[in-house]
Amino acid sequence: SAVISQKPSRDICQRGTSLTIQCQVDSQVTMMFWYRQQPGQSLTLIATANQGSEATYESGFVIDKFPISRPNLTFSTLTVSNMSPEDSSIYLCSVATGSTDTQYFGPGTRLTVL
Amino acid sequence: GENVEQHPSTLSVQEGDSAVIKCTYSDSASNYFPWYKQELGKRPQLIIDIRSNVGEKKDQRIAVTLNKTAKHFSLHITETQPEDSAVYFCAANAGGTSYGKLTFGQGTILTVHP
Repeated sequence: SAVISQKPSRDICQRGTSLTIQCQVDSQVTMMFWYRQQPGQSLTLIATANQGSEATYESGFVIDKFPISRPNLTFSTLTVSNMSPEDSSIYLCSVATGSTDTQYFGPGTRLTVL
Repeated sequence: GENVEQHPSTLSVQEGDSAVIKCTYSDSASNYFPWYKQELGKRPQLIIDIRSNVGEKKDQRIAVTLNKTAKHFSLHITETQPEDSAVYFCAANAGGTSYGKLTFGQGTILTVHP
């Protein structure tokens, strides 16, 4: 499976600021996704990152709050904008390769908002 | 959209016993059902998956069964070991045009006592 890295691995941020999380894959992948995992909870899909076009957001998530870029087939960013303590979560990217929908996850970014 | 229910939320077993985790899904178009294991502070790792064209799949001590008619699938772990202790998530893909999207169950905390 592809090797997936995320930066930063963790961060502590102040309320009202923004943080951009990077997801890098060592090979070209078909699909990239961003998930949120709140403390002690399951994984919730934020959006599908589309290469060369706007991301597809799930219900409850909007582009103004979570802008996403995917300039090529190996890289994507998720920005958490105008943060509040409720945004404290682990943010994970995942990728699917080839023609299957089997997903593999990055190591996650642990975000704490004060 | 897809809804995935997972039970039990916690499961405690003695080493060597079997563990069974059950999930139900709502979208009859779903055709891919992965299971992930997440250890504390780690990323979710795919441990086994099943597609709708088979009813059972085994990989050493773990197996997954699928009942499409009843829309439920289960994870079976035999001869449990302390290192099996983790949170387990089931998931189901979205059918139709929402290719690749996964909806996750709420998770099961499995504790294996030596």
